[in-house]
Amino acid sequence: GAVVSQHPSWVICKSGTSVKIECRSLDFQATTMFWYRQFPKQSLMLMATSNEGSKATYEQGVEKDKFLINHASLTLSTLTVTSAHPEDSSFYICSAKERRTGVGSNSPLHFGNGTRLTVT
Amino acid sequence: KQEVTQIPAALSVPEGENLVLNCSFTDSAIYNLQWFRQDPGKGLTSLLLIQSSQREQTSGRLNASLDKSSGRSTLYIAASQPGDSATYLCAVAGANSKLTFGKGITLSVRP
Repeated sequence: GAVVSQHPSWVICKSGTSVKIECRSLDFQATTMFWYRQFPKQSLMLMATSNEGSKATYEQGVEKDKFLINHASLTLSTLTVTSAHPEDSSFYICSAKERRTGVGSNSPLHFGNGTRLTVT
Repeated sequence: KQEVTQIPAALSVPEGENLVLNCSFTDSAIYNLQWFRQDPGKGLTSLLLIQSSQREQTSGRLNASLDKSSGRSTLYIAASQPGDSATYLCAVAGANSKLTFGKGITLSVRP
């Protein structure tokens, strides 16, 4: 089956530094990737939608200058948390929409295993 | 704005019991609904996906139903096992595949 590899699975960084998280579709092309954030005992909240070759679309309340998203190819999207602060500590999960012919929202979505970010 | 609600937040049952997890959503204009399983500190495993035109889907001991008009879905787990212990998330897909998730139901199956 389709696999989405998310790396790293966990990272600890100091306040003020930047952290990059990668999301790769290993055996399929993904025209669209989604980045979610999940706080403890909360639901996943969509942060942004990333389309290959174009700028990401951010959800309301998400700072685009703080959470930099790059989707340079059909198999890779990256999320960079810039100048990280302790309140950015969270679980970040990406999902990739498998590229298929035809139109509609019913192409499969595949999720990565998430990245646990801890900012000290 | 779509809102997804899952109640209760936690559930504890003895092994072997059949159980139903509920999910409700406010906007019936959805493309599909998915149930996911999440183990502590892990990513999501898709369990069942119901297209908006479908009423239910089955996989093994799992059965999910969808009533779009009333904004409800249920996940039925037959003969629960300790290995079923996890958090179960319901998510609805709107335009452009954006998912709106509920907070999940944390299930504990006691041996």
